[in-house]
Amino acid sequence: DIQMTQSPSSLSASVGDRVSITCRASQSISRFLNWYQQKPGKAPKLLIYAASSLQSGVPSRFSGSGSGTDFTLTISSLQPEDFATYYCQQSHSIPRLTFGGGTKVEIK
Amino acid sequence: QLVQSGAEVKKPGASVRVSCKASGYTFTSHDITWVRQAPGQGLEWMGWISGYNANTNYLQKLQGRVTMTTDTSTNTAYMELKSLTSDDTAVYYCARVLVTWGGWYSDYWGQGTLVTVSS
Repeated sequence: DIQMTQSPSSLSASVGDRVSITCRASQSISRFLNWYQQKPGKAPKLLIYAASSLQSGVPSRFSGSGSGTDFTLTISSLQPEDFATYYCQQSHSIPRLTFGGGTKVEIK
Repeated sequence: QLVQSGAEVKKPGASVRVSCKASGYTFTSHDITWVRQAPGQGLEWMGWISGYNANTNYLQKLQGRVTMTTDTSTNTAYMELKSLTSDDTAVYYCARVLVTWGGWYSDYWGQGTLVTVSS
């Protein structure tokens, strides 16, 4: 199975900061990479699919990049509602859509 | 929309069945995936079931204990987990799978079902 590794596992940032989260796959997954946001007690929410395509309704401050094994989720200007945990998910090895371990974004 | 059944409390060794009722789309046109999240932990993909032909694929470590089914007459997906242990205590989510040129992803999720395994 493809292993997904996120870094950092947590970070502290201030409102307005630019934040980047990295996801690395154990083998090449082309651009078959999704990003989700999860807030406490809530189901995950799709942010980005196919590495860089923004899901409808998601603010443009979220962006994704990368291909092969290395991917990045960037929040250009962190807003109060963005404090949450973020997960990457590969969809190369279908139907096994495995997740990374998550990155918790906390308020500094 | 995906609406899941309510919270469950089970004893070790028991089984649990969680339902996921779909509405607002053609049930057989989309697959369902099940994901669980233990307390304070990350998301774990459990398995997938085709909405078209009910083919399944399960996380290897759950093979033999998990069964995913669908009932197209009621647009409901089910996940049954047997021989429960405390390690199975988690929130269980169902999610619709969208298949596109850019890969597969889950655009709609159920609200989650808490399953607690305790003696």
